[in-house]
Amino acid sequence: KAGVTQTPRYLIKTRGQQVTLSCSPISGHRSVSWYQQTPGQGLQFLFEYFSETQRNKGNFPGRFSGRQFSNSRSEMNVSTLELGDSALYLCASSLSWTSSYNEQFFGPGTRLTVL
Amino acid sequence: GQQVMQIPQYQHVQEGEDFTTYCNSSTTLSNIQWYKQRPGGHPVFLIQLVKSGEVKKQKRLTFQFGEAKKNSSLHITATQTTDVGTYFCSITGGGNKLTFGTGTQLKVEL
Repeated sequence: KAGVTQTPRYLIKTRGQQVTLSCSPISGHRSVSWYQQTPGQGLQFLFEYFSETQRNKGNFPGRFSGRQFSNSRSEMNVSTLELGDSALYLCASSLSWTSSYNEQFFGPGTRLTVL
Repeated sequence: GQQVMQIPQYQHVQEGEDFTTYCNSSTTLSNIQWYKQRPGGHPVFLIQLVKSGEVKKQKRLTFQFGEAKKNSSLHITATQTTDVGTYFCSITGGGNKLTFGTGTQLKVEL
């Protein structure tokens, strides 16, 4: 079974631009979560989608947005990029969305550099 | 929201030595998960602990959940170079939202 895939793997942008990152979950998984990883702030939750609906949102500004398609693939968008947005963006998929923990499988991440 | 503090931040050991990382919370946790991230890699799920006082073993790795469900530990016996990486604890915040600890970076010297 193929794992979680993320595209692109590396991206260089300049301040003020916008960027769209893509995540394809494991086949059959319907929940997709996004995380930002930086040396300073560690791993931080961005948002989670299940059945095309945002179920959870972290403490990030409105410049960070996402969506999920009917095939469970997800995209996240960052508008008006800032230098501090440079990070590894990780996507994680899980089978379902419930009140208790569902094992999450992480993709390789997209390394975003903002110049 | 709930947070977990993880210590130490770094640990440098000789191969064959033991290693332990700890996660602590000021509030009672419903469960805790442990992940490992190799250098340049992504987090990989290791285990979830749910019950008070729970102890689980995976080969040389021993995971414990405190009696009060406010702390947890991961102990590696006789470290090997393959154990190198950062170990994170995490807690759930509803749905699949994970709040991660700051991680413990383990380096193993031959």
